[in-house]
Order: sequence, then C-alpha cells, then structure tokens
Amino acid sequence: SQTIHQWPATLVQPVGSPLSLECTVEGTSNPNLYWYRQAAGRGLQLLFYSVGIGQISSEVPQNLSASRPQDRQFILSSKKLLLSDSGFYLCASGVAEAFFGQGTRLTVV
Amino acid sequence: AQTVTQSQPEMSVQEAETVTLSCTYDTSESDYYLFWYKQPPSRQMILVIRQEAYKQQNATENRFSVNFQKAAKSFSLKISDSQLGDAAMYFCAYRRANDYKLSFGAGTTVTVRA
Repeated sequence: SQTIHQWPATLVQPVGSPLSLECTVEGTSNPNLYWYRQAAGRGLQLLFYSVGIGQISSEVPQNLSASRPQDRQFILSSKKLLLSDSGFYLCASGVAEAFFGQGTRLTVV
Repeated sequence: AQTVTQSQPEMSVQEAETVTLSCTYDTSESDYYLFWYKQPPSRQMILVIRQEAYKQQNATENRFSVNFQKAAKSFSLKISDSQLGDAAMYFCAYRRANDYKLSFGAGTTVTVRA
C-alpha cells in the first residue's frame, strides 16, 4: 500500500514570507497527487491535483502554487504568505481512493 | 458541481452502542464512488469504507457498514459496537468514476461515551 510523507508537521510563518511544503509518496509509481486545505472544523477543499510530472491543475484561485518536479514528489509553495493562508494542509495520493499524509498545520502570523 | 451534505455536525454514542451518520449528495452522474473517511485527533485522514455506485450490495468493513440508497442519493454510515477509538470526525466524500477529484462534506464529529 502507499505511504505518504508530508513535512513539516507544523509551521509558523510571518505574513509576506515564502512557503514550501513537501510531499513524497512511496509504494506506487505515477500516482495522482493532491493538495487539500482544511479550515478549522470544516471539510477538505481541493487546491491542486497532478496526474503526472509537470502537470498541475488548480481548483481555486489563490495565493498558492504547486509543482511536481519528480514522479512521487509534490510541492506546495507561496512567494508571499497571507493571513488567510493559515490552515491544515493535506497531501494525498491515489486514483480509486485517496491515501493521505499526516498533514501540515500552517499558522501565518 | 457535486455537493456532499452531512446534516449532523455532532453525534454522541454510548460505548458498545450503534450510531448512524447521514450523508446526501447531489449528482447527475450514474457511475461514481462514495467514501467515508475518519479523521481522529491526529488529523490524518483514514479511509473507513468505500462504495461503488454500480454495486447494489452495501459495503461492510468489520463494525462499519453503509446504507446506500442510490435513488435517494443517500449514503449513511453505521458504526456498530462503538469503541472509544471510534471518536473522530467523519467525512463523507464523492468522486465521479471518470474524475480524479474528491468532494467532501463538512464532517460529523462523533463522541463516544464510556
């Protein structure tokens, strides 16, 4: 089965600073990869998904971007963080069903 | 766009009892998948159960079972013999058969009383 590695687990960043969250996948090749954001006490909102290297689809307009430099690596980035970027970010992999990483709690101060 | 609705923000159940979580969804598709995910305090999302829309038989995984009513677009989760470890937030999710994206409901927080 797949294993999703996601880091860091928690992050506190000042407004205007850059962001880089990394996700790597083990146990599969050419996976579909996803970035979700979860606001406190809410469901998950899909931010980006990728079906292959260099292929990124954005679901919502926002201050964030994603990249997939390698088959099993998915990166979420921002050049300048906003307060509204705070939240819990989850990386996921899968086709028929999604397997999730342990998430990153981002607090922008 | 598909929407998934969980009308129960919170549910409480006595240990060893049964609790049922409701989920409805809106779609014009005939082929799709439905899921229930569990999110414990650790925040990691764990797949509990999966149902293919083309299957009439309700999915079952140990103490977890679903009641899938395709015509009514309803997909409820029943947790039998509830255990303290079942305490978590539960999310219902939908995916079209020819799509990669999951749509999630807002979640139901389940509390298990000892």
